[in-house]
Amino acid sequence: GDSVTQMEGPVTLSEEAFLTINCTYTATGYPSLFWYVQYPGEGLQLLLKATKADDKGSNKGFEATYRKETTSFHLEKGSVQVSDSAVYFCALSDLQGAQKLVFGQGTRLTINP
Amino acid sequence: IAGITQAPTSQILAAGRRMTLRCTQDMRHNAMYWYRQDLGLGLRLIHYSNTAGTTGKGEVPDGYSVSRANTDDFPLTLASAVPSQTSVYFCASSVSGGGNEQFFGPGTRLTVL
Repeated sequence: GDSVTQMEGPVTLSEEAFLTINCTYTATGYPSLFWYVQYPGEGLQLLLKATKADDKGSNKGFEATYRKETTSFHLEKGSVQVSDSAVYFCALSDLQGAQKLVFGQGTRLTINP
Repeated sequence: IAGITQAPTSQILAAGRRMTLRCTQDMRHNAMYWYRQDLGLGLRLIHYSNTAGTTGKGEVPDGYSVSRANTDDFPLTLASAVPSQTSVYFCASSVSGGGNEQFFGPGTRLTVL
């Protein structure tokens, strides 16, 4: 079945550092890909998405490019802030049945001032 | 009400008891979902509903049931709670499945003793 694998956390960086969180997927067909963010004590919020190969999703300085050839959707940000501390989830939309989301296990990111 | 609300916020429950987690959305979304979030496992789909009157099983449906009598409400019932159902439960909705964004509620933290 479809699956998503994220880089293991936790990840700790200093403010203004460059961030990469790796995400690879296994899917039949051409799913849409998502990054969700969960701030402490809250539900998940959509951060960005891409619906077809070579699409780049971007929001709040974060970017991710849908790479069909490497089945990847790595999340990047050039200069992180303390307020970016959260758990980040990569997900794909299952094109079968309910077209539900399949999530990776999440990566906890902590940014130190 | 704005978005998705869940109740209760948290609950401690004795094993063997019946419990219903409530979820209401005011966005008139067709599709609704229940996930559980466990450390290191990301979010796993329990049940879903593509539209009022229909439901389907997700990845981990055993021990849970749902109903969708109308568009707005999607309650999740644990008929006889067990300690392995200790988790954080998130309800979500989307306009429809596929590449559409899912909107998440704030979650219910359930502890079964």
